[in-house]
Amino acid sequence: DTGVSQDPRHKITKRGQNVTFRCDPISEHNRLYWYRQTLGQGPEFLTYFQNEAQLEKSRLLSDRFSAERPKGSFSTLEIQRTEQGDSAMYLCASSRQPGKPGQGTHEQYFGPGTRLTVT
Amino acid sequence: EDQVTQSPEALRLQEGESSSLNCSYTVSGLRGLFWYRQDPGKGPEFLFTLYSAGEEKEKERLKATLTKKESFLHITAPKPEDSATYLCAVRLFSGGYNKLIFGAGTRLAVHP
Repeated sequence: DTGVSQDPRHKITKRGQNVTFRCDPISEHNRLYWYRQTLGQGPEFLTYFQNEAQLEKSRLLSDRFSAERPKGSFSTLEIQRTEQGDSAMYLCASSRQPGKPGQGTHEQYFGPGTRLTVT
Repeated sequence: EDQVTQSPEALRLQEGESSSLNCSYTVSGLRGLFWYRQDPGKGPEFLFTLYSAGEEKEKERLKATLTKKESFLHITAPKPEDSATYLCAVRLFSGGYNKLIFGAGTRLAVHP
């Protein structure tokens, strides 16, 4: 049973460069989430996909951020024109949609994260 | 505004010294409370889900409880390997999807 995987695990980039991260969710999970976590804080929600549809985006997600989930499988998060304030851990999580209302599990399972450092 | 507050921010225990971590929340439309464990440099690891006041869940030395305004994570006779940051999150019903609001966490250090 493979968990959520993320690639790369670490990324160092210079300010102004574009970066892209990949997330592979647990195979039977159709919901996928992106979070950002800074030192000493809990994860903050960025965006959510159900299958290939992006259903919600946080106000934290500026126009420089874009996420995709083609074919409802893996997802990518791209940050354009990176800024030093983008330095953080970017976490991906997935969950299974319950079969019926009020049933099933809503637990989100997280990947190991991608640590971004913008110099 | 929906908010989750965890206390204390940091906790140092001696091995075997039991204690409790607190998670208080002020949210509308709560649809579950989750506890996660996070080791340095890693993603959060799921521990428990609680859905209704009075519910309790246990796993090894950990026990989570829930009231209408807060949750506790009780740690009984902790060991050094229990050292980690413990995160609490609440699930909000917003547009029918599964949005989690996290607290800042409690950093637990258990010393032999």
